[in-house]
Amino acid sequence: DIQMTQSPPSLSASLGDKVTITCQASQNINKYIAWYQQKPGKAPRQLIRYTSTLVSGTPSRFSGSGSGRDYSFSISNVESEDIASYYCLQYDNLPYTFGAGTKLELK
Amino acid sequence: EVQVLESGGGLVQPGNSLKLSCATSGFTFSTAWMYWYRQFPEKRLEWVARIKAKSNNYATDYTESVKGRFTISRDDSKSSIYLQMNNLKEEDTAIYYCAIYSAHWGQGVMVTVSS
Repeated sequence: DIQMTQSPPSLSASLGDKVTITCQASQNINKYIAWYQQKPGKAPRQLIRYTSTLVSGTPSRFSGSGSGRDYSFSISNVESEDIASYYCLQYDNLPYTFGAGTKLELK
Repeated sequence: EVQVLESGGGLVQPGNSLKLSCATSGFTFSTAWMYWYRQFPEKRLEWVARIKAKSNNYATDYTESVKGRFTISRDDSKSSIYLQMNNLKEEDTAIYYCAIYSAHWGQGVMVTVSS
């Protein structure tokens, strides 16, 4: 199985900050990574697919990049509605596997 | 508007069975690959099962821990998928989510396996 090492586990940011979350795969995943936002009591919501493609409705302050084993997800100008947990998912190979998540909090 | 609605969760004893349903609308169901995911109480997410479309012979795949116990199926006439869960274990306790291409997720349904 492909292991997804996500960091940091938690992140504290002020409104307007830029934050970055990384996921490193245990092998090349050919850019097949998606990023999800999850708020308490809600289902995960896909924000980005195939490394950097924004899903319809995703604000442009969200972005993704990477290749090979190393990927990153950024939020520029953090807003209060961005306070949530974020997860990466590799879907290059079965079983699809998730990172452990990053909890974004307000400083 | 795409809609995904799971049902069928509940509390069951270890060794018992449960069948989850997922009703969808707002997209072309017959060609979509459909998924079940779950989220454990500690928030860890896991892919559970996948079923492909008719053009792919409705091929199915499962995560190792549920092989032989869970069965994913679909009814294209009802735009629905199902997850038959047999011989449930306490470690199957989770919120189960249905998803379309891993992109659109339902609100989830809780499954608790406990004596």
